[in-house]
Amino acid sequence: RKEVEQDPGPFNVPEGATVAFNCTYSNSASQSFFWYRQDCRKEPKLLMSVYSSGNEDGRFTAQLNRASQYISLLIRDSKLSDSATYLCVVNSLSGGYNKLIFGAGTRLAVHP
Amino acid sequence: DAGVTQSPTHLIKTRGQQVTLRCSPKSGHDTVSWYQQALGQGPQFIFQYYEEEERQRGNFPDRFSGHQFPNYSSELNVNALLLGDSALYLCASRKDLGTEAFFGQGTRLTVV
Repeated sequence: RKEVEQDPGPFNVPEGATVAFNCTYSNSASQSFFWYRQDCRKEPKLLMSVYSSGNEDGRFTAQLNRASQYISLLIRDSKLSDSATYLCVVNSLSGGYNKLIFGAGTRLAVHP
Repeated sequence: DAGVTQSPTHLIKTRGQQVTLRCSPKSGHDTVSWYQQALGQGPQFIFQYYEEEERQRGNFPDRFSGHQFPNYSSELNVNALLLGDSALYLCASRKDLGTEAFFGQGTRLTVV
């Protein structure tokens, strides 16, 4: 089983739609969680951190359920510019050190 | 602040050759991680350096080795290149464990 699993998509949605991405992780010792965005042939960039209480940044809402080891990202009012791959990232503790583990990513395509 | 810089940006090598990729972390960052990203996949963790030592390692063979210098910059070396080593190699730096990682633009390696 992969440490971080995501639905690869692609999600094809019209502008203005609401879309939700899910992610599960296997290491219960994981300490922090992130969503990164990666545009085609570019490096990943942090979209937002994910907190236990849930957090919102404009049209983006992230949720964490530690009991279920589940992370979600909700995008409201999708824009064409939201088209990208969204990477679920878990900061796992092993041997006293942390490392970031990436999911395979979920591709989003927003069309007019 | 130049952010994370990697060199070269593109590289073509022949099977069996050796390659060295370089990374300069973001100013103030002391932890450097390397990732391999194949087309259509998420970044796969290779290893992480802190205080000039390899602290974490992913599931990569010994052909992959690295180094961190006193100025926190890092190198990734791959020996006996295989066609399957063709990928985007990403370097990420962080200041403290658990905080946001910043990525360089990557080195696109093609093995022919």
